[in-house]
Amino acid sequence: DTGVSQDPRHKITKRGQNVTFRCDPISEHNRLYWYRQTLGQGPEFLTYFQNEAQLEKSRLLSDRFSAERPKGSFSTLEIQRTEQGDSAMYLCASSPQDNQPQHFGDGTRLSIL
Amino acid sequence: EDQVTQSPEALRLQEGESSSLNCSYTVSGLRGLFWYRQDPGKGPEFLFTLYSAGEEKEKERLKATLTKKESFLHITAPKPEDSATYLCAVRRLLDSNYQLIWGAGTKLIIKP
Repeated sequence: DTGVSQDPRHKITKRGQNVTFRCDPISEHNRLYWYRQTLGQGPEFLTYFQNEAQLEKSRLLSDRFSAERPKGSFSTLEIQRTEQGDSAMYLCASSPQDNQPQHFGDGTRLSIL
Repeated sequence: EDQVTQSPEALRLQEGESSSLNCSYTVSGLRGLFWYRQDPGKGPEFLFTLYSAGEEKEKERLKATLTKKESFLHITAPKPEDSATYLCAVRRLLDSNYQLIWGAGTKLIIKP
């Protein structure tokens, strides 16, 4: 299967700990997006990469969140000093060009104890 | 404020009972409207893109239509496997091409 892959699928951690998620996009896609989704809501945009360049970061994203895409392939999203409100599904998507549909992975569900 | 509103929030149908889901949008210029299906614990799965009023797209039991103010996702003779949350998202003319405004979704339940 050559879809978007995310790891881990589930993460349970204590408040205050750091967590890191990984996303492997579809291989020919150079656009990569991170979203957060809570129950009963649509995805909320977090950040966007074109190749290795991070071109946009949501104003809602605190400085505890950081994302990288060092070689323009896979990406990581790190959350430092996690808080209860960080509990959500973190989704990654990719697309070949900007105005093409975004294809999503199955997400990482984060639970903060 | 630009926004996307989906209705109803939830819809329960009997197998074979056709219906429609609504996605209304108030944005300053539409570049494209996207429909996705999301199963519990999974990421959204792309269904359709619509770019201009009057456009229609079909896939199996689903047909998406677009007007200047709203889009409908028509489901004909649904089956239990069509149960999912259906999301719509809008890309505005003024935005960078990647930005999407999402609705909260319609949860569709098809009873056998």
